[in-house]
Amino acid sequence: DAGVTQSPTHLIKTRGQHVTLRCSPISGHKSVSWYQQVLGQGPQFIFQYYEKEERGRGNFPDRFSARQFPNYSSELNVNALLLGDSALYLCASSLYTGSSYEQYFGPGTRLTVT
Amino acid sequence: TQLLEQSPQFLSIQEGENLTVYCNSSSVFSSLQWYRQEPGEGPVLLVTVVTGGEVKKLKRLTFQFGDARKDSSLHITAAQPGDTGLYLCAGSTDSWGKLQFGAGTQVVVTP
Repeated sequence: DAGVTQSPTHLIKTRGQHVTLRCSPISGHKSVSWYQQVLGQGPQFIFQYYEKEERGRGNFPDRFSARQFPNYSSELNVNALLLGDSALYLCASSLYTGSSYEQYFGPGTRLTVT
Repeated sequence: TQLLEQSPQFLSIQEGENLTVYCNSSSVFSSLQWYRQEPGEGPVLLVTVVTGGEVKKLKRLTFQFGDARKDSSLHITAAQPGDTGLYLCAGSTDSWGKLQFGAGTQVVVTP
């Protein structure tokens, strides 16, 4: 079975521009989450969606937005890019095991803002 | 700010040695997951623990969840170069499984 896929793999943008990152979850997974990982740190939670509804939002400015589509794929949008937005953006899809949610991560999108 | 504190930050050992990585918090978690991440890739799930005091084994890796569900440890026996990577612990406190990560422990195993 295919894992979580993300596109693009790498992206270079200029300050002030807008970016859209895309994610396709594992087949059968209805929940998608987005995380930002800055070099040298663990991932930080940005958003979680379940069945197209937002179920959680991390401590990120309103420049960050996301949505989930009927096929459970998701987009993360970032407006007015800042240098500090340079990071690895990770998408995870999750499955409830009966006792917990297990999250499976994609390979990430490396965003560089110059 | 990382809610979960991992120690040590960096560990370099020789092949065949044992190592332990610790993950501590003041929060109680409903579940805790360990991941391994290679450079430029996404984290790969190793294990999920949900019950206080739970011990899980995955070949040479042993994971333990603290009795109070606030801390966890990962022990690797007879480490191999293939164990090299960034080990991340992540805990969940809400009903949707949102994860809070530690900063990670970089493990390097040399032949």
